[in-house]
Amino acid sequence: EVQLVESGGVVVQPGGSLRLSCAASGFTFDDYAMHWVRQAPGKGLEWVSLISWDGGSTYYADSVKGRFTISRDNSKNSLYLQMNSLRAEDTALYYCAKSDQLLRYFDYWGQGTLVTVSS
Amino acid sequence: QSALTQPASVSGSPGQSITISCTGTSSDVGGYNYVSWYQQHPGKAPKLMIYDVSNRPSGVSNRFSGSKSGNTASLTISGLQAEDEADYYCSSYTSSSTFWVFGGGTKLTVL
Repeated sequence: EVQLVESGGVVVQPGGSLRLSCAASGFTFDDYAMHWVRQAPGKGLEWVSLISWDGGSTYYADSVKGRFTISRDNSKNSLYLQMNSLRAEDTALYYCAKSDQLLRYFDYWGQGTLVTVSS
Repeated sequence: QSALTQPASVSGSPGQSITISCTGTSSDVGGYNYVSWYQQHPGKAPKLMIYDVSNRPSGVSNRFSGSKSGNTASLTISGLQAEDEADYYCSSYTSSSTFWVFGGGTKLTVL
């Protein structure tokens, strides 16, 4: 059974930094690209970032480019999101999601971890 | 403002069918057969219901079906059941710098 468990969400001040983690199990982690997707309170879903199976390629939404960094450690079956220069509009539930083989859709999602940016 | 446009809400009675539309552009929905649909119950993670416009993952009821015409994709749920009450989101790959876009979500109420 595929499991994705996010952690690291806390309350942080504007301009602060945070690192989210996602522990994966139930599939061969280093065979698949992985995403971060976020959902602001009461709002819809927003794609944030993608990392290739080997970490060699990364992609970002314009809203986070230059501030967020996605990475992975295949030896630990873990995905990360380093978030810097946080803004109030970054407040959201952050999901990690597994990609299908051809990067067409998100086939499994974690339960999410809540990041609140507030003074 | 979401890149893909969905109705905010739809409703139907048990046993009826409903359709949720998802309108984009030729850069996303109309340009690729990479439309997917997700079901999200309150406080839960999204669940993949349809991929590549009309394919169902293993374990998803055949009451759920998807289609596309031009820049608009649709999700149809037949034989509505109380457990179908949830939010539904469409998504598409896009040629823009965003790579993947979502609709704003549709709240389905089973009357």
